[in-house]
Amino acid sequence: SYELTQPPSVSVSPGQTARITCSGDVLTNQYVNWYQQKPGQAPVLVIYKDTERPSGIPERFSGFRSGTRVTLTISGVQAEDEADYYCQSADSSRTHVLFGGGTKLTVL
Amino acid sequence: QVQLVESGGGVVQPGRSLRLSCAGFGYRFSTYGLHWVRQAPGKGLEWVAVIWYDGSIKYYADSVKGRFTISRDDSMSTLYLQMDSLGAEDTAVYYCARDPGNAGNYYYDYWGQGTLVTVSS
Repeated sequence: SYELTQPPSVSVSPGQTARITCSGDVLTNQYVNWYQQKPGQAPVLVIYKDTERPSGIPERFSGFRSGTRVTLTISGVQAEDEADYYCQSADSSRTHVLFGGGTKLTVL
Repeated sequence: QVQLVESGGGVVQPGRSLRLSCAGFGYRFSTYGLHWVRQAPGKGLEWVAVIWYDGSIKYYADSVKGRFTISRDDSMSTLYLQMDSLGAEDTAVYYCARDPGNAGNYYYDYWGQGTLVTVSS
C-alpha cells in the first residue's frame, strides 16, 4: 500500500535522544525525507534522501534506514525542537508524493 | 535569497472556483519543478500536485484529479493552481514548494508561507 506510518507522538526530556520512525512498503525502493513544522509556520526540510542533512540544519538531526523502516534521530534534544515532524516519500511509479501522518515531538 | 510567495486564498462557496498563485524570487524559476501541498486545519500535510520544470509533466493527488489544474508561467516566475468544484474537504492552507531539481527529486528545499482557502457557504 502507498502509506507511510509514523507514531502520533514522541516525548523526551531535554538532552535525551528522540527517535521518530517512518515505515511503509513503498520505502523498499524510495528515499525518505523529513520535515519539521512549528505552529503557524511552513515545514522545514531537516533530512533528505534518508540520511543527508541540508546546510543550516544542526548536526543533532540525523537519519537512518533499516530496510523499509527509516528513523529520524534528534540527539541532545532542545526545547526548540518541539514541533511536528513529517516523513515524505514517493510511490513506486513516482507519480504521487506521500506524507506520513506526522509525529508531535514534545520536549518535557 | 530564494522566496516563494503564495496568494489568492480566501473564502469561497462550495462548487465555486478559485485560482492560487505562487511567485518565485531569488532563483532561476524556469529550471525547477514545483509542487502544491495542503494542510487542513489541525491536520497533516497532503500532497496536491507537481509540475515539471518545463511544464511537460504534471501529476495530481487522486483527491483533486479532474478538479484542480497546475500550471506555470515562467515569464512571470509564477506557479498557479486552478481549483474548480470546490468542496468543504478542500479547506486548507495551500503551500507551494520547490523541488531542488527539475522535479524528479521529490523533496522540497523551499516552501512558501501558505495561503488559506476556506470553502463555506
